[in-house]
Amino acid sequence: EAGVVQSPRYKIIEKKQPVAFWCNPISGHNTLYWYLQNLGQGPELLIRYENEEAVDDSQLPKDRFSAERLKGVDSTLKIQPAELGDSAVYLCASSLHSGGPNEQFFGPGTRLTVL
Amino acid sequence: GESVGLHLPTLSVQEGDNSIINCAYSNSASDYFIWYKQESGKGPQFIIDIRSNMDKRQGQRVTVLLNKTVKHLSLQIAATQPGDSAVYFCAESSPFGNEKLTFGTGTRLTIIP
Repeated sequence: EAGVVQSPRYKIIEKKQPVAFWCNPISGHNTLYWYLQNLGQGPELLIRYENEEAVDDSQLPKDRFSAERLKGVDSTLKIQPAELGDSAVYLCASSLHSGGPNEQFFGPGTRLTVL
Repeated sequence: GESVGLHLPTLSVQEGDNSIINCAYSNSASDYFIWYKQESGKGPQFIIDIRSNMDKRQGQRVTVLLNKTVKHLSLQIAATQPGDSAVYFCAESSPFGNEKLTFGTGTRLTIIP
């Protein structure tokens, strides 16, 4: 079974430029998460989707970050414009559902460097 | 300024020995806890979980201990192998499931051959 797929794996941009990350969750997983991971720290949740609905985006900086999951499968996370402090790894995870404890499967992440 | 995250707690263990990684969690209402392993360039990988109604849970070579009184979680890895070298994170979940995981500070485990 294929795991969570993310692309690109690495991205280097200059500040003020836009950037987008793509995630394909595990087939059949209704819940999708985007996390931000700074160097040496644990992941921090940005947004959680149940199918196509964003049910928790309280930690998403909405002035520059946006996300979508139009058909309840793939998702994109966008930053516009990027700032130096956005340099981090952006992780996507998926789980079967969110009603009760169940394992979140993480993708390899996209490492963003903002110059 | 200095990044606290660069000073990741570290633990070095001789191959074949047992290791114990500790974690203090913050929310006394959390009822679900998970240990993740993260290798360089990869996303976190689930190792083992435990509900708050348990004190101990065992898996293959791993044991998680939960002390709710002092809000402490530990991961024991038996007979460590080189492949166990990674950063280990504990995570706690809100009372109604794992909708929102809050990750602790990781520990870098290095297995010495």
